[in-house]
Amino acid sequence: KAGVTQTPRYLIKTRGQQVTLSCSPISGHRSVSWYQQTPGQGLQFLFEYFSETQRNKGNFPGRFSGRQFSNSRSEMNVSTLELGDSALYLCASSPWGLANEQFFGPGTRLTVL
Amino acid sequence: QKEVEQNSGPLSVPEGAIASLNCTYSDRGSQSFFWYRQYSGKSPELIMFIYSNGDKEDGRFTAQLNKASQYVSLLIRDSQPSDSATYLCAVGGVTGGGNKLTFGTGTQLKVEL
Repeated sequence: KAGVTQTPRYLIKTRGQQVTLSCSPISGHRSVSWYQQTPGQGLQFLFEYFSETQRNKGNFPGRFSGRQFSNSRSEMNVSTLELGDSALYLCASSPWGLANEQFFGPGTRLTVL
Repeated sequence: QKEVEQNSGPLSVPEGAIASLNCTYSDRGSQSFFWYRQYSGKSPELIMFIYSNGDKEDGRFTAQLNKASQYVSLLIRDSQPSDSATYLCAVGGVTGGGNKLTFGTGTQLKVEL
């Protein structure tokens, strides 16, 4: 089976812009979760989607949003980018959901200038 | 108190030795426990999961869970230089709002020749 794929792998944006990241889960997995990883804060949970519905949400501002399509692919959007949004954004898929085994994609490295 | 605590390390062990990585968690209702390995510049890779008290072995890896003490550990036998990485402990459970998965900040392991 192919693993989790994320596009793009690298992205450079400027403050105030918006960005959309994409994630394709492992075939058959219906749960997709998004995480932000920074050296200072570690891995922080953004949100989880299951069967096109946001099922769980972390403590991030409303500038961070996401959605899931009927084929389980997911997108994450960050509006009005801030310097502090520079991070590695990871997508993880799971057959069952957030509290079960998660399989991570390679991540998207976002740099905000 | 952090929800999931790990010693940041680095933990240095000689090649061939047993590496012992520890993790404590604060939520007594936690139900699922995971160990991820993350090489520098890469995404986390699931290496072990455990749901019940006791030991679970997979090759050179053994996960140990003690729910009464709220303690999870990972033993790596016959440590190899390729085991040098950051090991993330993750704890899953159910909250009033749904499922959650919380990561520790990781322990850096260095296996020395």
